[in-house]
Amino acid sequence: SQTIHQWPATLVQPVGSPLSLECTVEGTSNPNLYWYRQAAGRGLQLLFYSVGIGQISSEVPQNLSASRPQDRQFILSSKKLLLSDSGFYLCAWSVRGGGSGNTIYFGEGSWLTVV
Amino acid sequence: GQSLEQPSEVTAVEGAIVQINCTYQTSGFYGLSWYQQHDGGAPTFLSYNALDGLEETGRFSSFLSRSDSYGYLLLQELQMKDSASYFCAVYNQAGTALIFGKGTTLSVSS
Repeated sequence: SQTIHQWPATLVQPVGSPLSLECTVEGTSNPNLYWYRQAAGRGLQLLFYSVGIGQISSEVPQNLSASRPQDRQFILSSKKLLLSDSGFYLCAWSVRGGGSGNTIYFGEGSWLTVV
Repeated sequence: GQSLEQPSEVTAVEGAIVQINCTYQTSGFYGLSWYQQHDGGAPTFLSYNALDGLEETGRFSSFLSRSDSYGYLLLQELQMKDSASYFCAVYNQAGTALIFGKGTTLSVSS
């Protein structure tokens, strides 16, 4: 069966510090990978998605970046965090070429508080 | 681009029926999906409609009208555990990523 893991689960970072969130998927190959952010009490905002190694699409311009160094690994980074970067970050995956009804499966999420 | 509108909050009592509406605007429609998210947890898939009509899965049903760019999620025989946020979602124009609405918080009381 397929599983998705992301870490760390929680972190508190000072403004201006760097960020690295990591996500890995097991049990599948060539997945589509996603990063979403959810601010407190808000909806799910798509940040980045990737359909293959080294292929990253950015949906919202901001001080975050994403990388996909391996097929089932997706990393979210920032060089300098802002207070507004606080939120719940969710990694997700779906089957490549899964069709229009493709289900997205989410990881457990990472709570980021920028202080 | 894509945009979705759904009510921010809905309240109901146990055993009742509740309907959560969703209207959408999208360039290139691939279907309407619904996800459930309990407080502090990750969203999980509930249902998907590609064609007009009603899809039923146990106590939950989802409806789609493509001509009206409208759908709804119907929850019957509400239970306390149904208290959660519910999101409707559509794919982006390329069909590669889901765009979510802001979510509807459902509170079920006894």
